[in-house]
Amino acid sequence: TQLLEQSPQFLSIQEGENLTVYCNSSSVFSSLQWYRQEPGEGPVLLVTVVTGGEVKKLKRLTFQFGDARKDSSLHITAAQPGDTGLYLCAGGGQSDSGGSNYKLTFGKGTLLTVNP
Amino acid sequence: NAGVTQTPKFRILKIGQSMTLQCTQDMNHNYMYWYRQDPGMGLKLIYYSVGAGITDKGEVPNGYNVSRSTTEDFPLRLELAAPSQTSVYFCASSYPVGGAQYFGPGTRLLVL
Repeated sequence: TQLLEQSPQFLSIQEGENLTVYCNSSSVFSSLQWYRQEPGEGPVLLVTVVTGGEVKKLKRLTFQFGDARKDSSLHITAAQPGDTGLYLCAGGGQSDSGGSNYKLTFGKGTLLTVNP
Repeated sequence: NAGVTQTPKFRILKIGQSMTLQCTQDMNHNYMYWYRQDPGMGLKLIYYSVGAGITDKGEVPNGYNVSRSTTEDFPLRLELAAPSQTSVYFCASSYPVGGAQYFGPGTRLLVL
């Protein structure tokens, strides 16, 4: 059973377009993190959200944590080729299994390609 | 700070061989993790450690062993390598609060 479902799995867009990727779960998490992974490298943390309804902005990236802390979204405005990569969401502190914040459950990722 | 370093970057093993993947972090993090990443499958937790001398199994521990004798080092041992262990292996470390993890560059392993 995949606890965190990410959609879409693949996304190919042109430079300048906007996009949203989603991370959904039937479980409640105490925190939700987004990572970006470039080919041949390890994931790099973009943001952590911990409060239901929280919105965080990182330049052209906007992250939202659902009110019920079961889902999250990442919106990119005016995508650039440098945004290309695998976007992973990860949940910590899964409440219905007594999970701890330091063990994360990862989704399978959204592979984003931004074409010039 | 070098962050999290992993060696080797790439290795080819024959079925039945053994090897150790090295991982070192210089951030004084108590928590360390080993993951494997297969195409389209995300990251699966193999083993983790909450401090020197303490390790525990993750989601996919079979065929692997770990040790944690110091805060800095967390080696992953593969005994009797099998083709199913062909994967990219990532080591990570974190502070306990917030759980944000810092990843190494990965080791690509091919078992033939």
